[in-house]
Amino acid sequence: ELKVEQNPLFLSMQEGKNYTIYCNYSTTSDRLYWYRQDPGKSLESLFVLLSNGAVKQEGRLMASLDTKARLSTLHITAAVHDLSATYFCAVDRLEGAQKLVFGQGTRLTINP
Amino acid sequence: DVKVTQSSRYLVKRTGEKVFLECVQDMDHENMFWYRQDPGLGLRLIYFSYDVKMKEKGDIPEGYSVSREKKERFSLILESASTNQTSMYLCAGGDSLNTEAFFGQGTRLTVV
Repeated sequence: ELKVEQNPLFLSMQEGKNYTIYCNYSTTSDRLYWYRQDPGKSLESLFVLLSNGAVKQEGRLMASLDTKARLSTLHITAAVHDLSATYFCAVDRLEGAQKLVFGQGTRLTINP
Repeated sequence: DVKVTQSSRYLVKRTGEKVFLECVQDMDHENMFWYRQDPGLGLRLIYFSYDVKMKEKGDIPEGYSVSREKKERFSLILESASTNQTSMYLCAGGDSLNTEAFFGQGTRLTVV
């Protein structure tokens, strides 16, 4: 059974600092997704990582995937308040089927 | 822009009622999904469909059924609503060629 675990679950940080959210998963998969959710809103796709060693960057966010370690990271550089949200990673249990197993989510709060 | 639209943002229903949650996508995608989101648990897959009239159970199908009579529409049915089905319900659509799954805005259902 595929399980996905994120840590930390809650993260409060100061603007300008760097931090990393970790996403571990328990069985083989080559597709990993990162989503952002603002309070009361739906999920916004941030990154889709399709292969070992994949790295994608958008603004202050960078995601990477190590399929051998079954680990993905979401790195935040020089955080700004607008990045406050809940971040989810999700793993596709069957390639191409998009039957996603989600982590619990990391609630990120960035303080001025 | 691709779009997944859920018919209601908020619903309040009584215990024992039959409840229909509707979802429409304009992307011509084969795959459609229903998830429920609960605090601390992330999103969990209820049912998915990979073609018209085709459906498969997800991780938590008990108490739910689905209907997909047309490619663009996927309905979630609570046969007899119970208070433990109070949750946020998210519909998604996608296809393997595009890799991404796109989510609707969510329906917050309260069963009293």
